[in-house]
Amino acid sequence: AQSVTQLDSQVPVFEEAPVELRCNYSSSVSVYLFWYVQYPNQGLQLLLKYLSGSTLVKGINGFEAEFNKSQTSFHLRKPSVHISDTAEYFCAVTPAGAGSYQLTFGKGTKLSVIP
Amino acid sequence: GAVVSQHPSRVICKSGTSVKIECRSLDFQATTMFWYRQFPKQSLMLMATSNEGSKATYEQGVEKDKFLINHASLTLSTLTVTSAHPEDSSFYICSAYRDVETEAFFGQGTRLTVV
Repeated sequence: AQSVTQLDSQVPVFEEAPVELRCNYSSSVSVYLFWYVQYPNQGLQLLLKYLSGSTLVKGINGFEAEFNKSQTSFHLRKPSVHISDTAEYFCAVTPAGAGSYQLTFGKGTKLSVIP
Repeated sequence: GAVVSQHPSRVICKSGTSVKIECRSLDFQATTMFWYRQFPKQSLMLMATSNEGSKATYEQGVEKDKFLINHASLTLSTLTVTSAHPEDSSFYICSAYRDVETEAFFGQGTRLTVV
């Protein structure tokens, strides 16, 4: 079984400042890792994913994340946030190669961008 | 990316009635569909996994007689909440997966309110 821990439930940050949203996972098998964004009353939009290869993954909207196997982390970063980045962010994992994409989610981090 | 449409986006029903939520993959055939439930300010919890033409696999603690899942075709899965009660009020989200992809695609979600 897998588990995901998002260490911060809420992260306030000023506009144009950098941000890091933290994600740690636990798994006895190799995993694929994902970051999703959710706007109020909407579904989930994929920001980026790590399957294999380079540990630095670039996604949409200027976000990137780095996979660190030794620390079992997959932190999400953006160098300069905009008001429109205000949303809930979820980190998720699924067993690698299982072919099902049944996801285990973290509890989410609410990012609030302050003008 | 592939498009998953969920309908309705919002529904209010009386206690004791049943509600059906549809999840359609619009431009691809989904090998597997997943149903998640999200309580306010919480993460998504997997309810069940369904494959076309076979019975859904429910997660522990999810009542299969209450949450009926039908996956009659490769593009449509339905979730019926039977004899709904106020505690069933929640945000329900589906996702669809096909085995040539490396991610699952999410619908917009359905806000169910039982009064």
